[in-house]
Amino acid sequence: DQQVKQNSPSLSVQEGRISILNCDYTNSMFDYFLWYKKYPAEGPTFLISISSIKDKNEDGRFTVFLNKSAKHLSLHIVPSQPGDSAVYFCAASPQGGSEKLVFGKGTKLTVNP
Amino acid sequence: DSGVTQTPKHLITATGQRVTLRCSPRSGDLSVYWYQQSLDQGLQFLIQYYNGEERAKGNILERFSAQQFPDLHSELNLSSLELGDSALYFCASSVEEEQFFGPGTRLTVL
Repeated sequence: DQQVKQNSPSLSVQEGRISILNCDYTNSMFDYFLWYKKYPAEGPTFLISISSIKDKNEDGRFTVFLNKSAKHLSLHIVPSQPGDSAVYFCAASPQGGSEKLVFGKGTKLTVNP
Repeated sequence: DSGVTQTPKHLITATGQRVTLRCSPRSGDLSVYWYQQSLDQGLQFLIQYYNGEERAKGNILERFSAQQFPDLHSELNLSSLELGDSALYFCASSVEEEQFFGPGTRLTVL
């Protein structure tokens, strides 16, 4: 049973446009959510997080939105850059921190010049 | 560079064998986590150690075991290897909310 789902295995956008990556979860006990970015041959790198007490968190070009009632979160990248091309993982934790993270399968983002 | 190191980078072995993967966390991080990423799968949490003690367990097989030593480095032992154990194994460390991942060990079981 997949508790964190990223239903789009891939996404392709033009440089300068917005990239929107989606993530759904089923476990209502999750209260902390993170996005990680992964380049080939490297480990995942933390990107941005959000606590369930918020509905939005912004860091530069990256914004994460959380809709608790829909059990849905999204990552917006504006403007998208070719260097953003990577696999993005959504992760969730039931413990208010980053312990016991449950990851989605990832979405491969390609930003075309 | 996350500051988390993992060795070896690649490992090729045969079914039935035993291997040990090593992880050195970032300086000062007390928690170490192990994850498995199989083909087309997300990262599956295996186990967490905190300051030498097991803190949380995920979907870790009985053939797998881990430990964290006094110097805080950790080892993941995989025994009686099967073809399906072929995967990327990541180690991560944290001090508070954010986990920092190592580059991973790619295990191939032939």
